[in-house]
Amino acid sequence: EIVMTQSPATLSVSPGERATLSCRASQSVSSNLAWYQQKPGQAPRLLIHGASTRATGIPARFSGSGFGTEFTLTISSLQSEDFAIYYCQQYNNWPPALTFGGGTNVEVK
Amino acid sequence: QLQLQESGPGLVKPSETLSLTCTVSGASISSGSYYWGWIRQSPRKGLEWIGLIYHNGNSHYNPSLKSRVTMSVDTSKKQYSLKLTSVTAADTAVYYCARIYGANLGDFWGQGTLVTVSS
Repeated sequence: EIVMTQSPATLSVSPGERATLSCRASQSVSSNLAWYQQKPGQAPRLLIHGASTRATGIPARFSGSGFGTEFTLTISSLQSEDFAIYYCQQYNNWPPALTFGGGTNVEVK
Repeated sequence: QLQLQESGPGLVKPSETLSLTCTVSGASISSGSYYWGWIRQSPRKGLEWIGLIYHNGNSHYNPSLKSRVTMSVDTSKKQYSLKLTSVTAADTAVYYCARIYGANLGDFWGQGTLVTVSS
């Protein structure tokens, strides 16, 4: 089983600042990496897939990068609606075996 | 507009079977590009994928849950279902149904339903 590890667990950022979140896979997942955003009381929302492709309707301030085992989600200028928990998910397996990271909570500094 | 709605008991006794149904509206459940999945979330284990099913009934399950999970699909009702047997308190979680693009990406999720396992 591929294990996904996210860091930091909590990131304190001021509105307007840049946020950088990390995700590490226990073995290579190529570019088969997605990012989700979850707000309290809501389901996760797909932000990024293929490590760097924004999903439909996702603002350009969200960007993803990385390949293999190291990935980054960057939010260039945090808006109030961006304070949430962010999860990475790998999908490098067949048969399917979706696995998620433990999440990074982006909170107001 | 696509909507997924989970339904089922919010309280299940230990050792019994958890049964949930997801009703899909606003899109075809028979679309070739999509699987239909169940994912749960608990403070203890975070987000945990349970399984996927295709409209033809082909399914894939999380190996850690495979012995207890059965999924089924009813395309005429635009519904798919989850059964999880022999539940314990560790199965207490918010259960989400989700559309899974290419068997990989949860691109649309239901609102989730809390299932508590307790006597």
